[in-house]
Amino acid sequence: GDSVTQMEGPVTLSEEAFLTINCTYTATGYPSLFWYVQYPGEGLQLLLKATKADDKGSNKGFEATYRKETTSFHLEKGSVQVSDSAVYFCALSDPGSNYKLTFGKGTLLTVNP
Amino acid sequence: SQTIHQWPATLVQPVGSPLSLECTVEGTSNPNLYWYRQAAGRGLQLLFYSVGIGQISSEVPQNLSASRPQDRQFILSSKKLLLSDSGFYLCAWSSAGTGNYGYTFGSGTRLTVV
Repeated sequence: GDSVTQMEGPVTLSEEAFLTINCTYTATGYPSLFWYVQYPGEGLQLLLKATKADDKGSNKGFEATYRKETTSFHLEKGSVQVSDSAVYFCALSDPGSNYKLTFGKGTLLTVNP
Repeated sequence: SQTIHQWPATLVQPVGSPLSLECTVEGTSNPNLYWYRQAAGRGLQLLFYSVGIGQISSEVPQNLSASRPQDRQFILSSKKLLLSDSGFYLCAWSSAGTGNYGYTFGSGTRLTVV
């Protein structure tokens, strides 16, 4: 079945530090890949997505590249801000599973001033 | 534009009481609808999904049920709540037949069973 594995948190960084959150996946078909962000007490918001190999999704300074050869979709940001503190979820949507979204367990990011 | 509404935002219920959470979507037709639960400090668990009126698929055996009485309405229910039903419940929708756009989530309901 489909699965998403992302690095265990929590991750604590200082403001302006470089961020990487690793995400790898297994899927029966050719999935689309997503990063969602959840701010405290809120629902999930789509942060970025990529639908085919070598696509780069980007939004709000965050980037992730769809790497089919390594089945990965790592999230990066060059300079984090305090306002980036949130839980980040990697996810995939697999046509072989009727497009149900499969999530990783989430990574809590805390950015200190 | 499409919007998703979920209510109530917070709920405190005693053990053994019934539950009804409602989710509605506007601005789209025939959406796929989903209920997720997020237990404290844990990831997201898909509870139910629906591809059409009256069509409900359950992902995990549990104390909860779901119904879709109208195209854009999705209801999560329980006859008797358990302490273990506490959590953050999220409704979501997606366009039917494609996974390229991901899901759009509601703002969630925080349920505490006491």
